[in-house]
Amino acid sequence: AQKVTQAQTEISVVEKEDVTLDCVYETRDTTYYLFWYKQPPSGELVFLIRRNSFDEQNEISGRYSWNFQKSTSSFNFTITASQVVDSAVYFCALSARGKLIFGQGTELSVKP
Amino acid sequence: NAGVTQTPKFRILKIGQSMTLQCTQDMNHNYMYWYRQDPGMGLKLIYYSVGAGITDKGEVPNGYNVSRSTTEDFPLRLELAAPSQTSVYFCASSFPDSGNTIYFGEGSWLTVV
Repeated sequence: AQKVTQAQTEISVVEKEDVTLDCVYETRDTTYYLFWYKQPPSGELVFLIRRNSFDEQNEISGRYSWNFQKSTSSFNFTITASQVVDSAVYFCALSARGKLIFGQGTELSVKP
Repeated sequence: NAGVTQTPKFRILKIGQSMTLQCTQDMNHNYMYWYRQDPGMGLKLIYYSVGAGITDKGEVPNGYNVSRSTTEDFPLRLELAAPSQTSVYFCASSFPDSGNTIYFGEGSWLTVV
């Protein structure tokens, strides 16, 4: 069975703080893909990153970075120097053999 | 370049009515999905399909049916609508798990009264 857990329901930070969003997943498949999506107040889903199960390299894209650790089944997302525009709901997702499921989401509020 | 198109965008149904949410994609994607998102909640997988003629239940399939007669279309049928089915519905598509991104429709807001 597949499962994605985002234990943090809501996080509130002040602008310029760093923030890490946690994601823990479960799957019996050896080949799978992990994703992060952003959902701003406007409601659309914005793709942020995709990782396959064979690539544990961390990735940095501007202020965003991702830490994938198979040993702990985690795929955490860090925003450095957060900005008000980062305020949104962030979803972690897992795809294996065509089945794509999402975590419950973490609502990030960045205050000026 | 239409991507994933869902219709209707908004609909109000009375309890017990039935309706079909249409979803079509023009990218020749094998995989298609239907999700529902309740207010303040995450996306729950209703049904998914890995190709024409193949469908499978997701996390919350009760009260819904799907069909996949063509690669392009993946309609979601609500039978005997209930207030608990009030939600935003998203259709999505992708190529098989090759690492391609998943493309989402804009969502369909459904209210059952």
